[in-house]
Amino acid sequence: EIVLTQSPGTLSLSPGERATLSCRASQSVSSIYLAWYQHKPGQAPRLLIYAASSRATGIPDRFSGSGSGTDFTLTISRLEPEDFAVYYCQQYGNSPRTFGQGTKVEIK
Amino acid sequence: QVQLQESGPGLVKPSETLSLTCTVSGGSMTSYYWSWIRQPPGKGLEWIGYIYYSGSTDYNPSLKSRVTISVDTSKNQFSLNLSSVTAADTAVYYCARHESRLSGFDPWGQGTLVTVSS
Repeated sequence: EIVLTQSPGTLSLSPGERATLSCRASQSVSSIYLAWYQHKPGQAPRLLIYAASSRATGIPDRFSGSGSGTDFTLTISRLEPEDFAVYYCQQYGNSPRTFGQGTKVEIK
Repeated sequence: QVQLQESGPGLVKPSETLSLTCTVSGGSMTSYYWSWIRQPPGKGLEWIGYIYYSGSTDYNPSLKSRVTISVDTSKNQFSLNLSSVTAADTAVYYCARHESRLSGFDPWGQGTLVTVSS
């Protein structure tokens, strides 16, 4: 099973600031099989990024993904109030599909 | 726009079977994969398994001995049965769609909390 480790656990930032979230895999993941999700309390998780760097339909361009091998990054260029949430990475190239434990982006 | 909605009992007794249904609206189930995912309180997301619209399945090995996922395309629904539950199975259960066996999950349902307790 591929273990995904996200860091930091919590990111305290102000609106307008840049957020950089990390996802490290226990073994190499093909970049086409890495996704990022946004999750707000009481809501359905939302797919932001798939194939490591492709934005899902309707996702603003302030969200970007990068990385390869075992190290992947989600960047939010300028935080909007609605971006404060928990973010998860996921690999779906190996079974079982696995998720990171999440990074909470909170208002400073 | 496809929407998914989980339904089922919110309370299940230990050793019994947890049964949930995901109803798909606004689109067909044909040619898609359908997954169940759960999140125990205070913990991360765990993929349970998927079913293809035609009925083929793949399960997380950690749950495989207790899980059955089935599909009824005539009702636009797929279901999860998890047997011999314990308190460790208490979680918010989500259903989600994926376009292929190897793709991200989009969209998801809002989730339903299932508590295992006597």
